Amino acid sequence: EIVMTQSPATLSVSPGERATLSCRASQSVSSNLAWYQQKPGQAPRLLIYGASTRATGIPARFSGSGSGTEFTLTISSLQSEDFAVYYCQQYNNWPRTLTFGGGTKVEIK
Amino acid sequence: QVTLRESGPALVKPTQTLTLTCTFSGFSLSTSGMCVSWIRQPPGKALEWLALIDWDDDKYYSTSLKTRLTISKDTSKNQVVLTMTNMDPVDTATYYCARGLYSLDYWGQGTLVTVSS
Repeated sequence: EIVMTQSPATLSVSPGERATLSCRASQSVSSNLAWYQQKPGQAPRLLIYGASTRATGIPARFSGSGSGTEFTLTISSLQSEDFAVYYCQQYNNWPRTLTFGGGTKVEIK
Repeated sequence: QVTLRESGPALVKPTQTLTLTCTFSGFSLSTSGMCVSWIRQPPGKALEWLALIDWDDDKYYSTSLKTRLTISKDTSKNQVVLTMTNMDPVDTATYYCARGLYSLDYWGQGTLVTVSS
């Protein structure tokens, strides 16, 4: 079973600064990696799929990179609405399973 | 417009079986490539994927929970049903259904299920 590890658990950033979040897979997942944003009391929202493709309506300040086992979500200039918890998720082709990471909370510094 | 909505009991007793229904609109689960997953999130904790059913009626389960889970679909009603047996207080969580094959692009608002006697 593939394990997804996110770091750091909490990231303190000032508005306007850059945030870099990491996600590591226990074995290669190719580019089958997605990122989600979740705010308190809300369902997760898809940000990035295929490791680097922004979902519909997602601002350009969000970018994803990586392949294989190492992935990064970058928020170029944090806005007030970006403070939230971010999850990575891998998709395995066979057997068809999904796995989420433990999340990174981005908080106001 | 794609929407999903979860429904089911808010409270179940330990050892009981939980049945949750996901009612969706805006897509058909008979269309090639379409899938619906169930995901849960205990209070203050991370997301956990539970099960997936695809357009071909193939079913996939979390390794750790597969002995307790059953997923099924009713294409004519646009519904996906998840049953989880032998509920325990540690199963207290918000349960979500979501659409997607590789990534989950549309989610329901979630339903909180509390397991308590």
